[in-house]
Amino acid sequence: AQTVTQSQPEMSVQEAETVTLSCTYDTSESDYYLFWYKQPPSRQMILVIRQEAYKQQNATENRFSVNFQKAAKSFSLKISDSQLGDAAMYFCAYRGNAGNMLTFGGGTRLMVKP
Amino acid sequence: KAGVTQTPRYLIKTRGQQVTLSCSPISGHRSVSWYQQTPGQGLQFLFEYFSETQRNKGNFPGRFSGRQFSNSRSEMNVSTLELGDSALYLCASSLAGSATSYEQYFGPGTRLTVT
Repeated sequence: AQTVTQSQPEMSVQEAETVTLSCTYDTSESDYYLFWYKQPPSRQMILVIRQEAYKQQNATENRFSVNFQKAAKSFSLKISDSQLGDAAMYFCAYRGNAGNMLTFGGGTRLMVKP
Repeated sequence: KAGVTQTPRYLIKTRGQQVTLSCSPISGHRSVSWYQQTPGQGLQFLFEYFSETQRNKGNFPGRFSGRQFSNSRSEMNVSTLELGDSALYLCASSLAGSATSYEQYFGPGTRLTVT
């Protein structure tokens, strides 16, 4: 079974600064997908960024980018120029090829200080 | 295009009762997945339905069941409620699935409280 671990329960960043959230996973599959989801206090889960395991290039979405290290099974999220609206719970998630089942990490609560 | 909707948004039930939660996916989406979110266990996959067939099932007791209708709307049912079933139940829909990277869109969730 796949497992996803987020070792940082809480992180804090100053507005306009950069922060990196860590995620490691364990799998025996070769093809899979990795995601970062954001869950603001309103509870609506929003997809931030995704990475296909077969792609070597790290995904980037505006201020959000990932550092995908397949051999190390590491998938960290970097948020640049942090904004107050970035404050939320961030979940790392894994999806294999058998349907849409997501395995989530325990989450990291990000606080942004003005 | 309307997002994923879940009804009801809040629900209070008594131990031993049963409950049915509903999820309407984004128009055109054929895959619906259900997740349970609790402070202690985090986010856990319940099951996924695709074209009215259960495709995957998580590690939950048989009291948890679901179904999908021909219009892709899905319901999940929990029978003989226990205090530990109190949670936020999230529904997610996707265009398809399996060997694709179609993203999942989540609904706002149904907050179930069992007393």
